[in-house]
Amino acid sequence: QAGLTQPPSVSKDLRQTATLTCTGNSNNVGYQGAVWLQQHPGHPPKLLFYRDTNRPSGISERLSASRSGNTASLTITGLQPEDEADYYCSAWDAILRAWVFGGGTRLTVL
Amino acid sequence: EVQVVESGGGLVQPGGSLRLSCKVSGFTFSNAWMSWVRQAPGKGLEWVATIKGDGSETYYVDSVKGRFTISRDDAKNSLYLQMNSLRAEDTAMYYCVTETMTNWGQGTLVAVSS
Repeated sequence: QAGLTQPPSVSKDLRQTATLTCTGNSNNVGYQGAVWLQQHPGHPPKLLFYRDTNRPSGISERLSASRSGNTASLTITGLQPEDEADYYCSAWDAILRAWVFGGGTRLTVL
Repeated sequence: EVQVVESGGGLVQPGGSLRLSCKVSGFTFSNAWMSWVRQAPGKGLEWVATIKGDGSETYYVDSVKGRFTISRDDAKNSLYLQMNSLRAEDTAMYYCVTETMTNWGQGTLVAVSS
């Protein structure tokens, strides 16, 4: 099953803004939108956003998400040391009848 | 508060079998689509299987079709993954996940090795 495309790594300075991207196609990201997950080493993933922009309770408002066509984006403002983590996007593929994942982006806060 | 607790992982020889279980609480389990997602050591997330809320349909990643079976018992708020003909490449942390990847357990580790 084909996956979503994410840059392997992004590095930004403390208190700066990072934007992570996730590209799929009209059958997955462009169909029902993307899910964003954050994973710190040794911990399970944590949901940040679902259906593009819906934020579960408890997720910092420094994080926002959007989508343009088949590309979803996650923006983190005012980067903090705790934002350093792996970020994954995922989407349900209506044709494959499968969840597809991106390879993940490792965000480094300098 | 939603709690997701996986169990059943362990060390198994190639060709062997394991049955993973997932107990969910604080969540309306019946009618919820449920999935298993795995993560090999040092690798990214990989979707394994999904079962519809009414159990009528199941979906699998190609690499496990014919070997793994996802099932559910709504009376027990539980999800299962029967894994047969295990291979070294099935070695991973296996996570039980609720609808739209909302809630994740801590995972159960499966190691396939002789």
